[in-house]
Amino acid sequence: SYEVTQPPSVSVSPGQTARITCSGDALPKKYAYWYQQKSGQAPVLVIYEDNKRPSGIPERFSGSSSGTMATLTISGAQVEDEADYYCYSTDSSGNHTVVFGGGTKLTVL
Amino acid sequence: QVQLVQSGAEVKKPGASVKVSCKTSGYTFTGYYIHWVRQAPGQGLEWMGWINPKSGDTIYAQKFQGWVTMTRDTSISTAYMALSRLTSDDTAVYYCARLGTEDYWGQGTLVTVSS
Repeated sequence: SYEVTQPPSVSVSPGQTARITCSGDALPKKYAYWYQQKSGQAPVLVIYEDNKRPSGIPERFSGSSSGTMATLTISGAQVEDEADYYCYSTDSSGNHTVVFGGGTKLTVL
Repeated sequence: QVQLVQSGAEVKKPGASVKVSCKTSGYTFTGYYIHWVRQAPGQGLEWMGWINPKSGDTIYAQKFQGWVTMTRDTSISTAYMALSRLTSDDTAVYYCARLGTEDYWGQGTLVTVSS
């Protein structure tokens, strides 16, 4: 079955750039979506269709995708960006089957 | 505004079934798929499947086939997710969500399976 892979953790100091990767064989043909989830809260979409930012999401959040890897970049990470981040894409079956990555814990300290 | 409001927390015994509702408002219910996603304590997001509210068609993640049932009632703009043969591993927060470019999630429903 289709899998999407993320690193379990990423750590940066405040003001540094954080990059979280998401790899999957369908990514050359399918969009990646990125969520931020803070403890006890529902996920919040921060990037959709590889590189688009919903309204209200700070400009320091950006996304890119190349080949089988998508990347979420947080430029000038802030303490309040510390959270779990999840990517998802659909597989190539045509059934719009969604697959989430395992999540990445971002630590900013 | 778009809202997805889920039913309240449930406590079930092993072997029982649970049915969670997701009442939508603020948009055309039949225009967007409803997805169900669960999150066990301390774990990641796990996609369970979707229902097309217009047709009633469903697609379930392979893990949940034969075990989950997603339905809808268009007259009240509500989607349902039923899970049977519960075990302690099914203890989780269950979310309904409208995924995509305009992304909305319910508040989550905690289902606790305990003897």
